[in-house]
Amino acid sequence: ETGVTQTPRHLVMGMTNKKSLKCEQHLGHNAMYWYKQSAKKPLELMFVYSLEERVENNSVPSRFSPECPNSSHLFLHLHTLQPEDSALYLCASSRDIQGAGGETQYFGPGTRLLVL
Amino acid sequence: GDSVTQMEGPVTLSEEAFLTINCTYTATGYPSLFWYVQYPGEGLQLLLKATKADDKGSNKGFEATYRKETTSFHLEKGSVQVSDSAVYFCALHGSGNTGKLIFGQGTTLQVKP
Repeated sequence: ETGVTQTPRHLVMGMTNKKSLKCEQHLGHNAMYWYKQSAKKPLELMFVYSLEERVENNSVPSRFSPECPNSSHLFLHLHTLQPEDSALYLCASSRDIQGAGGETQYFGPGTRLLVL
Repeated sequence: GDSVTQMEGPVTLSEEAFLTINCTYTATGYPSLFWYVQYPGEGLQLLLKATKADDKGSNKGFEATYRKETTSFHLEKGSVQVSDSAVYFCALHGSGNTGKLIFGQGTTLQVKP
């Protein structure tokens, strides 16, 4: 039990669609993350939020737009995606942003996205 | 920049065999090191971690020792089970406090009965 849920679990969208991915954590954490997991590539960190403020934006295209309305919820708004954006999108949370001590990140099950 | 390199998979073993998955890293300073595991259809779960040189992380029979002299954090288990079949990710958290984990590409382990 990770305490991090993601919806939907699977999503198929056309390149002109607009959709949103939702993540919710029930752990009382202050930091939340979006990762992209593509086949045969390392996980890529996309965005980091700490106390609802974005602290990292890893050169992600503007067709991905994150939103963190409170410390329990994180959204990823998608518009005009490309087929190469098809991947597993993982959300994670941690008590705080990792410092030297190495905070554990807790991951959700992911949303499997297919862009046609 | 910081990076993590894992051995290429897939790794296929028989039940009760000995497992080693190699992981080496490049980083400035003294990173924290992690192994995460991803079971089919699930997100990543922390398996073990080590925060300083010579620390040994252990969990569920898995072990890894932080070796600064060889910049390595190899994962080992003495006797694998079918239920250990999963993808294993080595990761580091380096300097800075933006929460950024650097992951290796993952190693798929398949254990056959």
